[in-house]
Amino acid sequence: DQQVKQNSPSLSVQEGRISILNCDYTNSMFDYFLWYKKYPAEGPTFLISISSIKDKNEDGRFTVFLNKSAKHLSLHIVPSQPGDSAVYFCAASSNFGNEKLTFGTGTRLTIIP
Amino acid sequence: KAGVTQTPRYLIKTRGQQVTLSCSPISGHRSVSWYQQTPGQGLQFLFEYFSETQRNKGNFPGRFSGRQFSNSRSEMNVSTLELGDSALYLCASSLEGGRRYEQYFGPGTRLTVT
Repeated sequence: DQQVKQNSPSLSVQEGRISILNCDYTNSMFDYFLWYKKYPAEGPTFLISISSIKDKNEDGRFTVFLNKSAKHLSLHIVPSQPGDSAVYFCAASSNFGNEKLTFGTGTRLTIIP
Repeated sequence: KAGVTQTPRYLIKTRGQQVTLSCSPISGHRSVSWYQQTPGQGLQFLFEYFSETQRNKGNFPGRFSGRQFSNSRSEMNVSTLELGDSALYLCASSLEGGRRYEQYFGPGTRLTVT
């Protein structure tokens, strides 16, 4: 039962354009969401997070949008740079129970110079 | 400050054997979580240790176990290895544990079971 889904395994975007990565979740108890970025041979690194009391959080070139009614979140990267090429994971957790992170399967983003 | 370290980085084992993986968290971090990453499955949560106690556990069989030492270092053990256990095993440390504290991941141990 995949509670967090990233339906696009890969995405290619021209350098300088906007990259939009999507994530859907099924568990309505999730109230905290995170995005991680992973380069080959390295562990994931935290990018940005959002609480369910917000619908947008911005950090430099990265913005995360949350649509609770649709159980959907997205990560926008503007402008996209070659160094953004990586696998991006979204993750979710609930304040009820054990707060463990549930990850999606990842989207491989390739920025084309 | 040194990051999260995991040893060994690569490991090849045979079905039926057991394996122990090690994780040294960032100095001062008391929580260590373990994840299994396989193609198409993303990162699957194994367990979390905080102050030498297992605080959370994922949906993995009892062949997967772990422990944490007084210096916060953690080990993960898999007994009676199966081919499906081939994966990248990641550990992550955080200051206090729980989603309120950012997790810092190590580079992982790539386990291949033949």
